[in-house]
Parts: sequence; structure tokens; C-alpha cells
Amino acid sequence: GENVEQHPSTLSVQEGDSAVIKCTYSDSASNYFPWYKQELGKGPQLIIDIRSNVGEKKDQRIAVTLNKTAKHFSLHITETQPEDSAVYFCAALGTGTASKLTFGTGTRLQVTL
Amino acid sequence: DGGITQSPKYLFRKEGQNVTLSCEQNLNHDAMYWYRQDPGQGLRLIYYSQIVNDFQKGDIAEGYSVSREKKESFPLTVTSAQKNPTAFYLCASSIGGGAGNEQFFGPGTRLTVL
Repeated sequence: GENVEQHPSTLSVQEGDSAVIKCTYSDSASNYFPWYKQELGKGPQLIIDIRSNVGEKKDQRIAVTLNKTAKHFSLHITETQPEDSAVYFCAALGTGTASKLTFGTGTRLQVTL
Repeated sequence: DGGITQSPKYLFRKEGQNVTLSCEQNLNHDAMYWYRQDPGQGLRLIYYSQIVNDFQKGDIAEGYSVSREKKESFPLTVTSAQKNPTAFYLCASSIGGGAGNEQFFGPGTRLTVL
């Protein structure tokens, strides 16, 4: 089955700096890669996703890049703000049973003033 | 307001008791999912259902059971056979089960077994 690794597990940046979170996956046939943000005590919320037919996608301060050859994808947050502080999860949609997402172990991002 | 709800937010049970967690959605989604989240770990899939009256085991189904009698409801029962039931449980739904449809998550239920 699919295996997703996520790094780093914790990340602290100063307000205004950029943050980068990286994930690798094992199933070369995976074709959908969402990123979720989870605030304390709440359910995860989708912030951006990318499909295997594109290499990069942007939405304001958030961008995701995908390298299918290397089987890794990354989340980039620019001009970080305190409200960006949360746990971020990457995921990959494996093959076989299309509805199964495999999640990374999460990155706790702390944006300090 | 359309959305996905879970109740209760906090649940306490004695060891050896079965407990059922509620999940309801009014998004008219066909697919629904149950995940378990433990500290420092990602979400792990327990069960999922792509359509009413059908469901499949996920990666960690042992000690859990589900039903899908109605499109909008997907309750999860944590049985006494689950060896370590204390966790944060998340329910999600999506339009369909395939093609990378966005999964919408509920607020979660934190279950503590004493």
C-alpha cells in the first residue's frame, strides 16, 4: 500500500518568513495530493491540493509543488502570519481502492511574533 | 448551513463497554469515512462507505464496526475488542469515493476509556 513520510515534525518560523513542509510517497501511481490544516481541537480542513498532471499550484500565500519522478511534494507558505500556526498534514491518494487517502504524520507549525 | 457534524465532542466510557459515535452530513455526499488520530500520528482509516448499505474496512478496522443505513449517517461503534480505544475520532465525507474528491471533516469526537 501507499506510504507517506512528512518532514519536519515541528517547524518554528518568525512572522513574515516562509515555511516549507515536505512529503514523499511510495506509490508511483498516486495521482492526488491534498494538504490539510488542523487547528487545535478541530477537524482538518483542506487548504490546497494538486493532481499529478500539474507540477505547481498557487493560492495566494500558499503553494504546492509536485515532483512525480522523485515522488515528493511540498507545501510552501509565504509571508507567514500567527494564524498560520497549526498542524499541517499531507496526503496521497493510492491506487487499488480509489477512495483511500494515506496521511503523513503531520507538521506542527509555530509562527512567532 | 451545510456541513458534517459529530457528537458528542467528548465521550468517556468504562473499559469493556461498547460506545457508538455519531456522524451526520447534509452535504448530499455519497462517500463517508472514519479516521482515528493519535498524538504525533497521521490520520488512519478505520472504515469507509462509498454508498448507502455498503462499507469496507480500512487499515485499522479491528475492534470497530459501522453501518450505513442512510446516506446522511455513518455511525461508528467502538467495541470492547478494541485494545486501545482512547483517541480522537474524525468523520469525513466526499461527493464520491474516487478521483480525488475533497474530503470534508467533522469537528471530531475525543473518546477516553477509563
